[in-house]
Amino acid sequence: AQKVTQAQTEISVVEKEDVTLDCVYETRDTTYYLFWYKQPPSGELVFLIRRNSFDEQNEISGRYSWNFQKSTSSFNFTITASQVVDSAVYFCALSEITSNDYKLSFGAGTTVTVRA
Amino acid sequence: NAGVTQTPKFQVLKTGQSMTLQCAQDMNHEYMSWYRQDPGMGLRLIHYSVGAGITDQGEVPNGYNVSRSTTEDFPLRLLSAAPSQTSVYFCASSSAQGAGDEQFFGPGTRLTVL
Repeated sequence: AQKVTQAQTEISVVEKEDVTLDCVYETRDTTYYLFWYKQPPSGELVFLIRRNSFDEQNEISGRYSWNFQKSTSSFNFTITASQVVDSAVYFCALSEITSNDYKLSFGAGTTVTVRA
Repeated sequence: NAGVTQTPKFQVLKTGQSMTLQCAQDMNHEYMSWYRQDPGMGLRLIHYSVGAGITDQGEVPNGYNVSRSTTEDFPLRLLSAAPSQTSVYFCASSSAQGAGDEQFFGPGTRLTVL
C-alpha cells in the first residue's frame, strides 16, 4: 500500500501565482517524520524541510510554507508568488520510527511548471 | 567537503552485462542507502547499510548486490543487467541510525539497459 500519496501529478501556473502541493500519508506509528524534497531539472534532490509527528506548528521559510495536520494525515506545501526557478518535481516522504531500514517512503512526486 | 558523490553520471549497458555504480561520502556517516527512481513511482529503497560490514535489503533488492567494506564507500553491483533496471539511481547517507535524520543524496546515475 502506498504510504505517501501525492494526488497531483502536474501543476502549471503563471509566475507570481501561489501553488499548493498536497501530501497525504499513512502510518500506524505515533512517531514519524515527514519531508519535502525538490528535484530541479538538473536532477539532484534538494532537502526542503523535515517535520516530526509531535510538532504540528506550521512553518514558513521565505516563499515556502508547510501545513501539517495530523487529523487529516496531511503535510501540504505552498509556494507563494511562484517564480520560474520553482519549476521542479517535488516529493513528499515519510520516515517511520519502527522502520528497521530507516527508509524514506516517497510519494510519486508533483511536477510544478511555472510559466513566465 | 564533497558530500555524497556518485560515478558514473550516465551509463548504457547491454542486457546481461555487469557493472558497479560507485558511491562515496566524506561526512563520516554510518548510514548509507541506494534508491532507484522510476517515472510515477518516486524513489524506492534497494539496499541499505547501517555501518561498515553491515548491509541489508530494501524493498526492491532483486538483481542488485552491495557491500560495505569502509564507512566511506557503498558500491551497488548489477550482476546481469536487465531492461527493467533502466532507471536513475541515487545514493544517500545519513548520520543517524534511526528515522528522522536528513538524508543527503548524491547527484544520481542515469542507467539505460538495452
